[in-house]
Amino acid sequence: TQLLEQSPQFLSIQEGENLTVYCNSSSVFSSLQWYRQEPGEGPVLLVTVVTGGEVKKLKRLTFQFGDARKDSSLHITAAQPGDTGLYLCAGAYDYKLSFGAGTTVTVRA
Amino acid sequence: KAGVTQTPRYLIKTRGQQVTLSCSPISGHRSVSWYQQTPGQGLQFLFEYFSETQRNKGNFPGRFSGRQFSNSRSEMNVSTLELGDSALYLCASSSGHSKSYEQYFGPGTRLTVT
Repeated sequence: TQLLEQSPQFLSIQEGENLTVYCNSSSVFSSLQWYRQEPGEGPVLLVTVVTGGEVKKLKRLTFQFGDARKDSSLHITAAQPGDTGLYLCAGAYDYKLSFGAGTTVTVRA
Repeated sequence: KAGVTQTPRYLIKTRGQQVTLSCSPISGHRSVSWYQQTPGQGLQFLFEYFSETQRNKGNFPGRFSGRQFSNSRSEMNVSTLELGDSALYLCASSSGHSKSYEQYFGPGTRLTVT
Protein backbone atom coordinates (compact mmCIF):
# COMPACT_ATOMS: atom_id res chain seq x y z
CA THR A 1 0.00 0.00 0.00
CA GLN A 2 1.38 3.36 -1.02
CA LEU A 3 0.40 5.96 1.55
CA LEU A 4 0.53 9.72 1.20
CA GLU A 5 0.35 11.93 4.26
CA GLN A 6 -0.78 15.50 3.88
CA SER A 7 -0.25 18.28 6.39
CA PRO A 8 -1.77 20.29 7.78
CA GLN A 9 -5.29 18.87 7.70
CA PHE A 10 -6.88 22.32 8.01
CA LEU A 11 -5.55 25.79 7.22
CA SER A 12 -7.39 29.07 7.75
CA ILE A 13 -5.65 32.27 6.71
CA GLN A 14 -6.39 35.89 5.90
CA GLU A 15 -6.48 37.12 2.33
CA GLY A 16 -3.00 38.18 1.22
CA GLU A 17 -1.11 35.71 3.41
CA ASN A 18 1.01 32.85 2.09
CA LEU A 19 0.48 29.15 2.78
CA THR A 20 2.24 25.85 2.20
CA VAL A 21 0.74 22.35 2.08
CA TYR A 22 2.95 19.28 2.37
CA CYS A 23 2.57 15.80 0.96
CA ASN A 24 4.91 13.05 2.19
CA SER A 25 5.38 9.35 1.58
CA SER A 26 7.92 6.60 2.10
CA SER A 27 7.18 5.34 -1.42
CA VAL A 28 8.51 6.47 -4.76
CA PHE A 29 6.01 7.60 -7.37
CA SER A 30 6.30 7.93 -11.14
CA SER A 31 4.53 11.27 -10.82
CA LEU A 32 2.73 13.35 -8.25
CA GLN A 33 -0.38 15.37 -8.92
CA TRP A 34 -2.21 18.13 -7.09
CA TYR A 35 -5.95 18.62 -7.30
CA ARG A 36 -8.39 21.14 -5.86
CA GLN A 37 -11.92 20.12 -5.02
CA GLU A 38 -14.88 22.32 -4.17
CA PRO A 39 -17.91 21.04 -2.23
CA GLY A 40 -20.16 18.75 -4.26
CA GLU A 41 -17.81 18.65 -7.23
CA GLY A 42 -15.07 16.38 -8.51
CA PRO A 43 -11.37 17.19 -8.01
CA VAL A 44 -9.80 19.41 -10.67
CA LEU A 45 -6.23 18.69 -11.74
CA LEU A 46 -3.90 21.61 -11.00
CA VAL A 47 -0.49 20.24 -11.92
CA THR A 48 1.55 17.09 -12.50
CA VAL A 49 5.21 16.86 -11.47
CA VAL A 50 7.30 14.04 -12.85
CA THR A 51 11.01 14.72 -12.36
CA GLY A 52 12.70 14.68 -8.95
CA GLY A 53 13.51 18.25 -7.88
CA GLU A 54 11.04 19.69 -10.38
CA VAL A 55 9.42 23.04 -9.61
CA LYS A 56 6.33 24.25 -11.45
CA LYS A 57 4.63 27.61 -11.15
CA LEU A 58 1.02 28.33 -11.96
CA LYS A 59 0.39 32.03 -11.36
CA ARG A 60 0.47 32.35 -7.53
CA LEU A 61 0.86 28.59 -6.98
CA THR A 62 4.27 26.91 -6.79
CA PHE A 63 4.60 23.12 -6.78
CA GLN A 64 7.75 21.22 -5.91
CA PHE A 65 8.58 17.52 -6.26
CA GLY A 66 11.20 16.15 -3.88
CA ASP A 67 14.54 14.95 -5.24
CA ALA A 68 13.72 11.35 -4.32
CA ARG A 69 10.17 11.60 -5.82
CA LYS A 70 8.58 10.75 -2.49
CA ASP A 71 7.27 14.12 -1.36
CA SER A 72 5.86 17.36 -2.68
CA SER A 73 4.75 20.78 -1.54
CA LEU A 74 2.24 23.34 -2.74
CA HIS A 75 2.88 27.00 -1.91
CA ILE A 76 0.32 29.73 -2.52
CA THR A 77 1.48 33.34 -2.49
CA ALA A 78 -0.91 36.14 -1.53
CA ALA A 79 -3.88 33.81 -1.11
CA GLN A 80 -7.30 34.96 -2.26
CA PRO A 81 -10.79 33.80 -1.20
CA GLY A 82 -11.06 32.00 -4.55
CA ASP A 83 -8.23 29.70 -3.41
CA THR A 84 -10.56 28.20 -0.79
CA GLY A 85 -11.07 24.47 -1.26
CA LEU A 86 -9.84 20.97 -0.51
CA TYR A 87 -6.32 20.40 -1.85
CA LEU A 88 -5.43 16.79 -2.60
CA CYS A 89 -2.11 15.29 -3.56
CA ALA A 90 -1.99 11.99 -5.43
CA GLY A 91 0.90 9.71 -6.30
CA ALA A 92 0.86 7.66 -9.48
CA TYR A 93 2.18 4.10 -9.66
CA ASP A 94 1.20 1.09 -11.80
CA TYR A 95 -1.59 3.07 -13.48
CA LYS A 96 -3.19 3.84 -10.11
CA LEU A 97 -3.44 6.95 -8.03
CA SER A 98 -3.05 6.95 -4.27
CA PHE A 99 -4.56 10.05 -2.66
CA GLY A 100 -3.65 11.89 0.49
CA ALA A 101 -6.43 12.74 2.95
CA GLY A 102 -6.48 16.34 1.78
CA THR A 103 -5.93 19.80 3.25
CA THR A 104 -8.95 22.06 3.69
CA VAL A 105 -7.88 25.62 2.98
CA THR A 106 -10.05 28.58 3.93
CA VAL A 107 -9.02 32.07 2.88
CA ARG A 108 -10.91 34.79 4.74
CA ALA A 109 -11.62 38.09 3.01
CA LYS B 1 -13.70 18.80 -25.60
CA ALA B 2 -16.52 17.82 -23.31
CA GLY B 3 -15.48 16.78 -19.83
CA VAL B 4 -16.30 13.65 -17.91
CA THR B 5 -20.01 13.23 -17.30
CA GLN B 6 -21.67 11.14 -14.61
CA THR B 7 -25.30 10.20 -14.20
CA PRO B 8 -27.27 10.49 -12.09
CA ARG B 9 -25.89 13.31 -9.93
CA TYR B 10 -27.94 12.35 -6.90
CA LEU B 11 -29.47 9.07 -5.82
CA ILE B 12 -31.34 7.89 -2.75
CA LYS B 13 -31.64 4.14 -2.22
CA THR B 14 -32.80 1.83 0.55
CA ARG B 15 -30.56 -0.66 2.31
CA GLY B 16 -30.52 -3.98 0.44
CA GLN B 17 -31.23 -2.48 -2.98
CA GLN B 18 -28.75 -2.30 -5.81
CA VAL B 19 -27.62 0.70 -7.84
CA THR B 20 -25.93 1.36 -11.19
CA LEU B 21 -23.93 4.51 -11.84
CA SER B 22 -22.81 5.66 -15.27
CA CYS B 23 -19.74 7.51 -16.51
CA SER B 24 -18.84 8.89 -19.93
CA PRO B 25 -15.13 9.70 -20.26
CA ILE B 26 -13.45 12.46 -22.24
CA SER B 27 -13.48 11.63 -25.92
CA GLY B 28 -10.38 9.60 -26.83
CA HIS B 29 -9.69 8.47 -23.26
CA ARG B 30 -9.63 4.70 -22.88
CA SER B 31 -9.12 4.45 -19.14
CA VAL B 32 -11.88 4.95 -16.59
CA SER B 33 -11.30 4.78 -12.84
CA TRP B 34 -13.85 4.82 -10.05
CA TYR B 35 -13.36 6.23 -6.55
CA GLN B 36 -15.42 6.41 -3.40
CA GLN B 37 -15.12 9.57 -1.33
CA THR B 38 -16.34 9.82 2.27
CA PRO B 39 -15.50 12.33 5.01
CA GLY B 40 -13.87 9.64 7.13
CA GLN B 41 -11.88 7.70 4.52
CA GLY B 42 -11.19 10.31 1.88
CA LEU B 43 -10.78 9.24 -1.74
CA GLN B 44 -10.46 5.50 -2.12
CA PHE B 45 -9.74 3.68 -5.36
CA LEU B 46 -12.36 1.15 -6.44
CA PHE B 47 -11.19 -0.11 -9.84
CA GLU B 48 -9.89 0.93 -13.23
CA TYR B 49 -10.89 -0.22 -16.68
CA PHE B 50 -8.81 0.10 -19.81
CA SER B 51 -10.10 -1.03 -23.21
CA GLU B 52 -12.99 -2.96 -21.61
CA THR B 53 -10.70 -4.90 -19.22
CA GLN B 54 -10.32 -4.36 -15.50
CA ARG B 55 -6.67 -3.44 -15.12
CA ASN B 56 -6.58 -2.54 -11.42
CA LYS B 57 -8.74 -3.16 -8.39
CA GLY B 58 -8.86 -1.63 -4.93
CA ASN B 59 -9.76 -3.26 -1.63
CA PHE B 60 -13.53 -3.24 -1.82
CA PRO B 61 -15.93 -6.20 -1.37
CA GLY B 62 -17.34 -8.07 -4.33
CA ARG B 63 -20.62 -6.13 -4.00
CA PHE B 64 -18.84 -3.41 -5.95
CA SER B 65 -18.40 -4.24 -9.61
CA GLY B 66 -17.97 -2.43 -12.86
CA ARG B 67 -17.65 -2.78 -16.57
CA GLN B 68 -16.55 -0.79 -19.57
CA PHE B 69 -18.11 -0.75 -23.00
CA SER B 70 -16.45 -0.57 -26.41
CA ASN B 71 -17.08 3.19 -26.56
CA SER B 72 -15.15 3.53 -23.24
CA ARG B 73 -18.27 4.43 -21.27
CA SER B 74 -18.30 2.71 -17.90
CA GLU B 75 -20.83 1.61 -15.34
CA MET B 76 -20.40 0.79 -11.68
CA ASN B 77 -22.79 -1.44 -9.80
CA VAL B 78 -23.24 -1.85 -6.07
CA SER B 79 -25.45 -4.70 -4.91
CA THR B 80 -27.06 -5.24 -1.50
CA LEU B 81 -26.52 -1.66 -0.43
CA GLU B 82 -25.41 -0.91 3.12
CA LEU B 83 -25.70 2.35 5.05
CA GLY B 84 -21.92 2.70 4.88
CA ASP B 85 -22.06 2.85 1.08
CA SER B 86 -23.39 6.40 1.31
CA ALA B 87 -20.70 8.46 -0.40
CA LEU B 88 -19.72 10.57 -3.36
CA TYR B 89 -18.75 8.23 -6.20
CA LEU B 90 -16.30 9.77 -8.61
CA CYS B 91 -15.34 8.65 -12.05
CA ALA B 92 -12.11 9.79 -13.68
CA SER B 93 -10.83 9.32 -17.20
CA SER B 94 -7.31 9.18 -18.54
CA SER B 95 -5.57 8.29 -21.77
CA GLY B 96 -4.35 5.26 -19.86
CA HIS B 97 -0.93 5.27 -21.48
CA SER B 98 1.09 7.90 -19.70
CA LYS B 99 3.11 6.96 -16.63
CA SER B 100 2.18 10.33 -15.16
CA TYR B 101 -1.40 9.03 -15.28
CA GLU B 102 -3.18 12.38 -15.14
CA GLN B 103 -6.83 11.90 -14.39
CA TYR B 104 -9.82 14.09 -15.12
CA PHE B 105 -12.74 13.76 -12.78
CA GLY B 106 -16.46 14.01 -13.31
CA PRO B 107 -18.74 15.87 -10.90
CA GLY B 108 -19.62 12.68 -9.04
CA THR B 109 -22.78 10.87 -8.04
CA ARG B 110 -23.96 11.51 -4.48
CA LEU B 111 -25.43 8.23 -3.21
CA THR B 112 -27.46 8.21 -0.01
CA VAL B 113 -28.49 4.86 1.46
CA THR B 114 -31.32 4.96 4.00
